[in-house]
Amino acid sequence: NAGVTQTPKFQVLKTGQSMTLQCAQDMNHEYMSWYRQDPGMGLRLIHYSVGAGITDQGEVPNGYNVSRSTTEDFPLRLLSAAPSQTSVYFCASSLGTGGPYEQYFGPGTRLTVT
Amino acid sequence: AQTVTQSQPEMSVQEAETVTLSCTYDTSENNYYLFWYKQPPSRQMILVIRQEAYKQQNATENRFSVNFQKAAKSFSLKISDSQLGDTAMYFCAFMKRRDTDKLIFGTGTRLQVFP
Repeated sequence: NAGVTQTPKFQVLKTGQSMTLQCAQDMNHEYMSWYRQDPGMGLRLIHYSVGAGITDQGEVPNGYNVSRSTTEDFPLRLLSAAPSQTSVYFCASSLGTGGPYEQYFGPGTRLTVT
Repeated sequence: AQTVTQSQPEMSVQEAETVTLSCTYDTSENNYYLFWYKQPPSRQMILVIRQEAYKQQNATENRFSVNFQKAAKSFSLKISDSQLGDTAMYFCAFMKRRDTDKLIFGTGTRLQVFP
């Protein structure tokens, strides 16, 4: 099992550019989430999904889009990057209903927007 | 809304000593879960310990134990026999029983273990 994988590990964008952060898990987990980590603020939930075809907003969803077409993948899209989106992004997954089960985190993506 | 507060931005401890990290939370929920996560310099988030609010007994995992005070909404982490590998950021997190897909994190405590 690779667990939760994220690509890329590092990315630098210019303001206004778009990109997709990839997240995949091979544990057949039902739940997947995206968090961002900023200095002094801990991790905050951006978007989450409780199954393929189902997504919802978390605490800080503005500027981000998600979709979940398969159980394995949960990409995070930045449509027009802004410097305020400079952060470390974590994808997480957990087994799903009947929990709570442990959330497994990916290694993170460090994004810098200039 | 739920909030999680970690009032100690940084702590330090000598190897083999004991250290306690504090966490308080605010919620109107009665059924919930609390967690401590460790984030070493590698950036990987690692679950250290979890506590179900309906259980009065404090959770223990090897050298890690918690002091859960439900009425006071307090959830501290005690690390015994500290090791150099315990050097990391530690995050306290809250999850509602009916929202098991969402974690609410505190701002973290940076722990440095000195030889």
